[in-house]
Amino acid sequence: DTGVSQDPRHKITKRGQNVTFRCDPISEHNRLYWYRQTLGQGPEFLTYFQNEAQLEKSRLLSDRFSAERPKGSFSTLEIQRTEQGDSAMYLCASSLVAGEVAFFGQGTRLTVV
Amino acid sequence: AQSVSQHNHHVILSEAASLELGCNYSYGGTVNLFWYVQYPGQHLQLLLKYFSGDPLVKGIKGFEAEFIKSKFSFNLRKPSVQWSDTAEYFCAVRTSGTYKYIFGTGTRLKVLA
Repeated sequence: DTGVSQDPRHKITKRGQNVTFRCDPISEHNRLYWYRQTLGQGPEFLTYFQNEAQLEKSRLLSDRFSAERPKGSFSTLEIQRTEQGDSAMYLCASSLVAGEVAFFGQGTRLTVV
Repeated sequence: AQSVSQHNHHVILSEAASLELGCNYSYGGTVNLFWYVQYPGQHLQLLLKYFSGDPLVKGIKGFEAEFIKSKFSFNLRKPSVQWSDTAEYFCAVRTSGTYKYIFGTGTRLKVLA
């Protein structure tokens, strides 16, 4: 499968713990996006990378959230001191050209207990 | 702030019925418009997109959408739905000057066999 790959698919964590998710985009795509989706809502933008540069970041992304894309390939999203409100599906997408079609991964479902 | 509205949250149709899902956005400048579909248990997939040119765009599986600039709308249509069209449909907009895609809250379509 040469689509966007996310790991893990599911994560259950206790409140206050740190979690990290990984996204592997489609290999030739240098644009990468992170989104969050909660029940009954559409995906909400979190952040955008062009190669290794983080060019746009949502105000939704509190200081407990950090994303990296160190070599312009895979990306990680870390949430520190998780809260129950962080429970959501975290989606990664990639595209070849900014503004063009974004291809989504299957997401990581986070449950904070 | 830019936003996307999908007024129909749940739609139930019988097979062979016609479908129209509404999508309105708030932004006065240049936009790229998308419809994504999410089948049960699967990731978001692109149905169709509009960047410029003919405002009537055709996508996969017999879907089409019409961009009406004066109404800030990009409604999705299909003349005759099938049971396999049961899914959640998301309208998305990317505006000039930003990299992010803004999604609507989605419409859950259920097609009865």
